[in-house]
Amino acid sequence: DSGVTQTPKHLITATGQRVTLRCSPRSGDLSVYWYQQSLDQGLQFLIQYYNGEERAKGNILERFSAQQFPDLHSELNLSSLELGDSALYFCASSKRLAGGGETQYFGPGTRLLVL
Amino acid sequence: AQSVAQPEDQVNVAEGNPLTVKCTYSVSGNPYLFWYVQYPNRGLQFLLKYITGDNLVKGSYGFEAEFNKSQTSFHLKKPSALVSDSALYFCAVRDIETGGFKTIFGAGTRLFVKA
Repeated sequence: DSGVTQTPKHLITATGQRVTLRCSPRSGDLSVYWYQQSLDQGLQFLIQYYNGEERAKGNILERFSAQQFPDLHSELNLSSLELGDSALYFCASSKRLAGGGETQYFGPGTRLLVL
Repeated sequence: AQSVAQPEDQVNVAEGNPLTVKCTYSVSGNPYLFWYVQYPNRGLQFLLKYITGDNLVKGSYGFEAEFNKSQTSFHLKKPSALVSDSALYFCAVRDIETGGFKTIFGAGTRLFVKA
């Protein structure tokens, strides 16, 4: 158990809908990262927050957004969902800004299925 | 741009035999390299990392990796494979060009250990 929790574990929804994925980092970790894992794209970095502020963006669609709250939990919002958004979404956390050597600890993921 | 490649989709090895999972990287400066393992329906688990120092890095579950700067490789090794090592292995490089916030993952190598 990494100490990172994600809810829900599974989510089934329809195209065009909006969902929110939640992540609670390890105790004391200030950085939160979101990743998408799909069969065709592999594991892709989406976005990172540090202590409430966005610090890096990867391959995140404009239909997706995220935020980190004062209690350091984070939410990833996915809107206008398409079939291709079906994937496993991971959250990871680390203590600091991951300037290089920081280890990221991953949650168990949320499996999203868009029908 | 920083990148990482795992040339083998799958590696098969008999239990008790040594295993190697290959990884090559491309970076513009000093590399920060990581190995993660993913078991079915689980998140990624950190195995080991190379930041600086000894080229042979020891990690969790008896795994080790050898950093080879001239060959730009960071192969994962274990002297004696266990059936329980069967999983998906990811090599990753920290994208320090952007301040180290992004982690770029390889496509993954599926390891099968036969009893």
